Amino acid sequence: SAVISQKPSRDICQRGTSLTIQCQVDSQVTMMFWYRQQPGQSLTLIATANQGSEATYESGFVIDKFPISRPNLTFSTLTVSNMSPEDSSIYLCSAWTGEGYTFGSGTRLTVV
Amino acid sequence: QKEVEQDPGPLSVPEGAIVSLNCTYSNSAFQYFMWYRQYSRKGPELLMYTYSSGNKEDGRFTAQVDKSSKYISLFIRDSQPSDSATYLCAMRDYTGANSKLTFGKGITLSVRP
Repeated sequence: SAVISQKPSRDICQRGTSLTIQCQVDSQVTMMFWYRQQPGQSLTLIATANQGSEATYESGFVIDKFPISRPNLTFSTLTVSNMSPEDSSIYLCSAWTGEGYTFGSGTRLTVV
Repeated sequence: QKEVEQDPGPLSVPEGAIVSLNCTYSNSAFQYFMWYRQYSRKGPELLMYTYSSGNKEDGRFTAQVDKSSKYISLFIRDSQPSDSATYLCAMRDYTGANSKLTFGKGITLSVRP
């Protein structure tokens, strides 16, 4: 099955700064998905990223806060902008790889 | 009512026990059902994927779907300490690469040696 490499695996950031998370898939995929996982909560979909078009954001998430790039069929980035402690969470990317949805290993973000 | 409800945890069992993990859902449009296993500090890993009512077996794992009751289960036979992880149910409403998943909250399982 496909492998998704996600980096960084963790980071501690100052409030007001931005962090860009990268995901690389070892095969071409149509759609990539970005999730947030907070302690004790379900995975929450942030946005769906299609190559060549703007990402589609879920209710409660906006492009200014979570800009996404999808320059080709194997790569995507999520930026968490103007961070606050409430953004501390695990961020995960995912893609449909023909055998189900595969996930990256996650980025554990702490905002101080 | 949340779209997907998963039995709360945590759950602790002795090695060799049979484990039953359950989810209910309210959206009758859900057609595809998945179970993910997530180890600490790792991303979710797909365990089982099914789209029809009935049972699907893979080694020590059996996924059961009852669409009439909107209820899915994952059974783990002869549980091992290596099964200790968080298990998440997930489902979607049609087949397609851009269909989004809806997840349960997850249940943390601990298998005691």
